[in-house]
Amino acid sequence: AQSVTQPDIHITVSEGASLELRCNYSYGATPYLFWYVQSPGQGLQLLLKYFSGDTLVQGIKGFEAEFKRSQSSFNLRKPSVHWSDAAEYFCAVNGNTGGFKTIFGAGTRLFVKA
Amino acid sequence: SQTIHQWPATLVQPVGSPLSLECTVEGTSNPNLYWYRQAAGRGLQLLFYSVGIGQISSEVPQNLSASRPQDRQFILSSKKLLLSDSGFYLCAWSVRERFSGNTIYFGEGSWLTVV
Repeated sequence: AQSVTQPDIHITVSEGASLELRCNYSYGATPYLFWYVQSPGQGLQLLLKYFSGDTLVQGIKGFEAEFKRSQSSFNLRKPSVHWSDAAEYFCAVNGNTGGFKTIFGAGTRLFVKA
Repeated sequence: SQTIHQWPATLVQPVGSPLSLECTVEGTSNPNLYWYRQAAGRGLQLLFYSVGIGQISSEVPQNLSASRPQDRQFILSSKKLLLSDSGFYLCAWSVRERFSGNTIYFGEGSWLTVV
């Protein structure tokens, strides 16, 4: 069955420290992978997406993610976290068949301490 | 560029009252449209999706219904709200193209509290 797992419910990092949010997926076909960010009380904003090609994907707000097929992972990274990055982050997967069933992970809440 | 708007942003409704949340997309044609619900502290649950006018697919049995009277308009309704209908409702759209990865774009969300 298709699934997305975000192992960490919440993570706390110090401002200026590096960040890595984990995402593992299970998908039978070639996956299209996404990361979204949600600030409290707002909709989800697309950070980045991977379809094919270079496995290191650059996104908005200084985020990047690396697709590792052998590990079925698509981890999100940022070299230096800012207090404004505190939010909830969702990993998602879809396939290349144009289907409508995008599978979302349960989310990881990021806390940033001064 | 494409934009999506949904309203109202917040509402408090008594149990048993009707509901209507509306969503419109601008700047694109023939989008796929979605309604998601996000309960407090939980992930996203797909409620409905639509590939065209009058075409609605329901993902979970529930007290809600959806309609698509126009190409870029999507409405979420209920005849009688339950307490369990409380949550954060998100409208979303995606491009209807094969091999697009079906990238989903979300609206601002609507907070519904049923009292």
